[in-house]
Amino acid sequence: AQSVSQHNHHVILSEAASLELGCNYSYGGTVNLFWYVQYPGQHLQLLLKYFSGDPLVKGIKGFEAEFIKSKFSFNLRKPSVQWSDTAEYFCAVNPPITGANNLFFGTGTRLTVIP
Amino acid sequence: DAGITQSPRHKVTETGTPVTLRCHQTENHRYMYWYRQDPGHGLRLIHYSYGVKDTDKGEVSDGYSVSRSKTEDFLLTLESATSSQTSVYFCATGQETQYFGPGTRLLVL
Repeated sequence: AQSVSQHNHHVILSEAASLELGCNYSYGGTVNLFWYVQYPGQHLQLLLKYFSGDPLVKGIKGFEAEFIKSKFSFNLRKPSVQWSDTAEYFCAVNPPITGANNLFFGTGTRLTVIP
Repeated sequence: DAGITQSPRHKVTETGTPVTLRCHQTENHRYMYWYRQDPGHGLRLIHYSYGVKDTDKGEVSDGYSVSRSKTEDFLLTLESATSSQTSVYFCATGQETQYFGPGTRLLVL
């Protein structure tokens, strides 16, 4: 079955450490890619998105992601995490399915940043 | 983010009772969506709407119905709630990019 995979379920880092969260998808064709963040008790907020063009996308709060088409990947990175980055991170894909702009989500990665 | 509100924000109900959740948007977006969020599953699409009175099923639509009589409102109904429908429900709006509401936490006893 086609899917979105986030292999890291829970990541624990110390402040100032670098972060990379993996996201792989199995849909063929042109896809739109997203990373959302959910802070404890809050709704999902858009971090960044990729539709086309430069495969290195910069988002809010110092996050960036790189689209590698050959690897079907869209990994999220941040050079130096802060305690306030503690949250759950979701990768989402809008595959080339006709009829709607439906998003398919990964299962999420919980990030805990230790002060 | 789009102006999206959801009501109620929290609800406890009993198995077999009907439940309606409301999503209201102020951005005049054509597309609206209902998702449920469960541990280990991420978010899964229940139903979506691409215009007034135009709706379609998502990945996990069994046991749910929706209605959209106005652009700004999208209702999700659980005709007869079951314990497996205990979840957090998120509404979203937008076309190329989706923006999410604050969520409704539903507990079915």
